[in-house]
Amino acid sequence: EDQVTQSPEALRLQEGESSSLNCSYTVSGLRGLFWYRQDPGKGPEFLFTLYSAGEEKEKERLKATLTKKESFLHITAPKPEDSATYLCAVQVFEAGKLIFGQGTTLQVKP
Amino acid sequence: DTGVSQNPRHKITKRGQNVTFRCDPISEHNRLYWYRQTLGQGPEFLTYFQNEAQLEKSRLLSDRFSAERPKGSFSTLEIQRTEQGDSAMYLCASSLGAGYQPQHFGDGTRLSIL
Repeated sequence: EDQVTQSPEALRLQEGESSSLNCSYTVSGLRGLFWYRQDPGKGPEFLFTLYSAGEEKEKERLKATLTKKESFLHITAPKPEDSATYLCAVQVFEAGKLIFGQGTTLQVKP
Repeated sequence: DTGVSQNPRHKITKRGQNVTFRCDPISEHNRLYWYRQTLGQGPEFLTYFQNEAQLEKSRLLSDRFSAERPKGSFSTLEIQRTEQGDSAMYLCASSLGAGYQPQHFGDGTRLSIL
């Protein structure tokens, strides 16, 4: 069964304290791995797509990387406005649906 | 660029009532998806359309749930005879059909069953 697991469930950082979020997956055939940010009461906001192992994408303080079994979202020198839930999702062969992990809730304190 | 629009944003209803939600996707997107999200969990797939054709339905989608996309533009999701367990955020997303394009989400309809 296709499965996505994110860790940790919650993460508290001080402003400027860099860290990484993990997304591990077990799927029949990965076609794309997606990272989203979700603020309370809002829908997920698209951040990155990764298609193959070794691929990296960057946006401001965020950098996403992909291996054959997991993806990392690295947050460099985070600010309080980076506080949100970060969701990882995979898309597999012949299917339009995304399979989501449960998310990591990040809190960055000033 | 107009994003995905969902209405209503909140719906409160009594158990046993029927409810209908609407989703207007990004105009050039031909794929439309419905997901359900409960507190502390990631979104869970319900169904998706390519143009007006419903291509996949989750096994989680009971026969009380029905979705339509009659002209390949907006979509509706109806829940009949609502139950307490239907309380959740219902999210709609859309994407371009070519390749594996990212899905863009609306802000959802929050359903509360009294």
